[in-house]
Amino acid sequence: KAGVTQTPRYLIKTRGQQVTLSCSPISGHRSVSWYQQTPGQGLQFLFEYFSETQRNKGNFPGRFSGRQFSNSRSEMNVSTLELGDSALYLCASSFLQGRGGETQYFGPGTRLLVL
Amino acid sequence: DQQVKQNSPSLSVQEGRISILNCDYTNSMFDYFLWYKKYPAEGPTFLISISSIKDKNEDGRFTVFLNKSAKHLSLHIVPSQPGDSAVYFCAASAETGNQFYFGTGTSLTVIP
Repeated sequence: KAGVTQTPRYLIKTRGQQVTLSCSPISGHRSVSWYQQTPGQGLQFLFEYFSETQRNKGNFPGRFSGRQFSNSRSEMNVSTLELGDSALYLCASSFLQGRGGETQYFGPGTRLLVL
Repeated sequence: DQQVKQNSPSLSVQEGRISILNCDYTNSMFDYFLWYKKYPAEGPTFLISISSIKDKNEDGRFTVFLNKSAKHLSLHIVPSQPGDSAVYFCAASAETGNQFYFGTGTSLTVIP
């Protein structure tokens, strides 16, 4: 079974631009979560989607948004990029998300650099 | 607020010895706990998990211990190998929730 895939793997943008990141979950998984990891920080939860609905959102500004499609693929968008948005963005999938002893599986991440 | 905490940012251990990574949590509703291993520029890889109905789970060189009364879990790696050098994250979830909560990670260095 193929793992979680994320595209692109690396991205360089300038301040003020916007960016869209893509995530394809493991086949059969319906929950997709997004995390931001910056140097010295843990995994900061952005949001979680299940069956095309955002069920949970972390403490990030409205510039960060996402969506999920009917095939469970998900996209994350960051508008008006700031230097502080430079980070590794991780996508993770699970069948139901955080219930009944589920395990979440991560993709390789997208490394975003904002100049 | 940080509901899952890893108070040791780094740990160095000699090859062949035991590595013990610790994690504390505050939410008594958490009933499932996981450990992930992460290499630089890669996504975290699932390592081992434990349900709150158990106090120990073992998988090869890796053992996770759970002390519910202390809200504490630990990951033991025996024997430690240089390839174990990575950042280790603990995570927790609750049956009634829909989110995983992660600690800030502990960077393990195994010295050959």
